[in-house]
Order: sequence, then structure tokens, then C-alpha cells
Amino acid sequence: DSGVTQTPKHLITATGQRVTLRCSPRSGDLSVYWYQQSLDQGLQFLIQYYNGEERAKGNILERFSAQQFPDLHSELNLSSLELGDSALYFCASSLGSGVQETQYFGPGTRLLVL
Amino acid sequence: GNSVTQMEGPVTLSEEAFLTINCTYTATGYPSLFWYVQYPGEGLQLLLKATKADDKGSNKGFEATYRKETTSFHLEKGSVQVSDSAVYFCALSDLLGGYQKVTFGIGTKLQVIP
Repeated sequence: DSGVTQTPKHLITATGQRVTLRCSPRSGDLSVYWYQQSLDQGLQFLIQYYNGEERAKGNILERFSAQQFPDLHSELNLSSLELGDSALYFCASSLGSGVQETQYFGPGTRLLVL
Repeated sequence: GNSVTQMEGPVTLSEEAFLTINCTYTATGYPSLFWYVQYPGEGLQLLLKATKADDKGSNKGFEATYRKETTSFHLEKGSVQVSDSAVYFCALSDLLGGYQKVTFGIGTKLQVIP
């Protein structure tokens, strides 16, 4: 158990809909990262937050947004969903944001868009 | 930009065979290097890491040495077990705008057969 929790574990929805994925980092960790894992794209970095502020953006679509709240939990919002958004979405956390930091991954949310 | 190249799988080995998964990287700074493992149905977890040239990371019988001269971080294990069946990700951590940015390889699926 990494100490990172993600809800829900599974999500099935229809095209055009909007969903919210939630992540609680390990106790004391200030950095939160979101990743998308699909069969054809591998593990893609989406976005990073550090202590409530956005710090880095990766391959995140404009239809997607995220935020980190004062209690450090984070939410990833996916809107106008398309079939191709079906994937595993992972949240990871780390204590800080240094080069040597280990990222601790949650169990993921499996999203299926029908 | 930074990149990580690792051998494509799947790799199928018999139990007690020797394992090598190749990983090479390109980076402009002084990155830290990681191997993460993903067991079926789970999130990624740290297997080992090395933070400077010539460092050797080791864990659970796995080893990898940070080779700056060949920009490599190959993963090895002398005798694999069925329980080692998983997907292995090589990753590079560097600073971008003062914050950690991690670049993952595509992942190599290892299947160990009895």
C-alpha cells in the first residue's frame, strides 16, 4: 500500500459526459502528479501540482483540468469525453519536488467511455 | 528534451533465467534514474533508483548501475521468479523550472514461466 488513494476505482460513462477523479496523496506529501496510461500511448504525464499551485504541464488536453486543494488532495476533471479517453488514470505523490524524489503511485482509476 | 528508451517487450523467460532489460536516456542536466515496476492490476511502485553517476541501485535481487558514459541504466537480475512477472518502467528525473519532471519509458512486460 503506497498511501496514495484514488477514487473511484472504476468509472463507466458515455461520450460527451464529464467526470471527476479524486486523489489523496500520502500524508505529508506536497506534490501531486497525474498520469494517463493507455495501451497505445504508454504512461503519459498530464500535470503536476505542488502545495496547491500548478507547476508543470505535460500532454494534458484542454478538455481536462485539475486542481489541488488546501488539504492537498487533488481532482482531475475530464469533460466532453471521447472514446479515446478510456484509460487508466494514475495519481502519484512525492514529499517535495527534487530530482531524487520517489513518486508514490495510487492504484489508479480505470475509465471506460462508451 | 529528455527522453528514455527501453527495450520493447514482451520478454518471456523461464524461471531462474538471467534478466536484462536495457534502458538508455538523453538528458541535459544531472538526472536521477529510476526503475518502477507495475504488477497486474496495480499502480507503479519504486523498484530501485540511482542519483549520480556510477551509483548502483539494488532491491529484491534486481540491480542497475548509472552509467553516464553510455547514458544507460540497464536492469538486471540473476535468477528470475514467476512472481517477477510485471511491467518494468525505466524513468529519468530532472529539474524543469526548478521542479521535478519525470520522463518514463514505454515499459517492458516481463513474463516468467515455470
